[in-house]
Amino acid sequence: DAMVIQNPRYQVTQFGKPVTLSCSQTLNHNVMYWYQQKSSQAPKLLFHYYDKDFNNEADTPDNFQSRRPNTSFCFLDIRSPGLGDAAMYLCATAINLYNEQFFGPGTRLTVL
Amino acid sequence: DAKTTQPPSMDCAEGRAANLPCNHSTISGNEYVYWYRQIHSQGPQYIIHGLKNNETNEMASLIITEDRKSSTLILPHATLRDTAVYYCIGGANTGNQFYFGTGTSLTVIP
Repeated sequence: DAMVIQNPRYQVTQFGKPVTLSCSQTLNHNVMYWYQQKSSQAPKLLFHYYDKDFNNEADTPDNFQSRRPNTSFCFLDIRSPGLGDAAMYLCATAINLYNEQFFGPGTRLTVL
Repeated sequence: DAKTTQPPSMDCAEGRAANLPCNHSTISGNEYVYWYRQIHSQGPQYIIHGLKNNETNEMASLIITEDRKSSTLILPHATLRDTAVYYCIGGANTGNQFYFGTGTSLTVIP
């Protein structure tokens, strides 16, 4: 019954080694978001897709990229993870930009 | 972007109403107020949203002041499972509901 699925739930990578996090949805929503949440902080939006249109937040580092090959899937690529990128990464979906968001359980990334 | 201010933490006795305030004094006239909560180590969960009128659903009630500069989320009978961080987001017209504030950590005490 899970509507927004994130894999893996826990990911360990090495400093500088590229890593990809995955998100899928069964809701057929138009919008998919990626957030970064560091310990004891609020989620911070990295970017979002409205259908195939990509919208990057101005302060999102170039090290973070995203792909949305189809409606159901969205990927977060971190090209060269640094120690400061260790965080929970949350995927969310919404019917459109003005509707409530449905969040996945998150992927906790550890960088060694 | 509409900015929100919330108390960092609150306690509530189990079975009592939990009233969580939020100030959003810069909200525009056509921007919604959204509330989410996040239970430890889980993704945020949508609770309720409103524009001008008070709203109620199976989870909570939302009271918005007439000038729309503040709102209160009410959990009518708090349970231990309501212990979470509650985020108020003011501004969902152009999509500003992306911007989470610092939130209120609610602890429900047995």
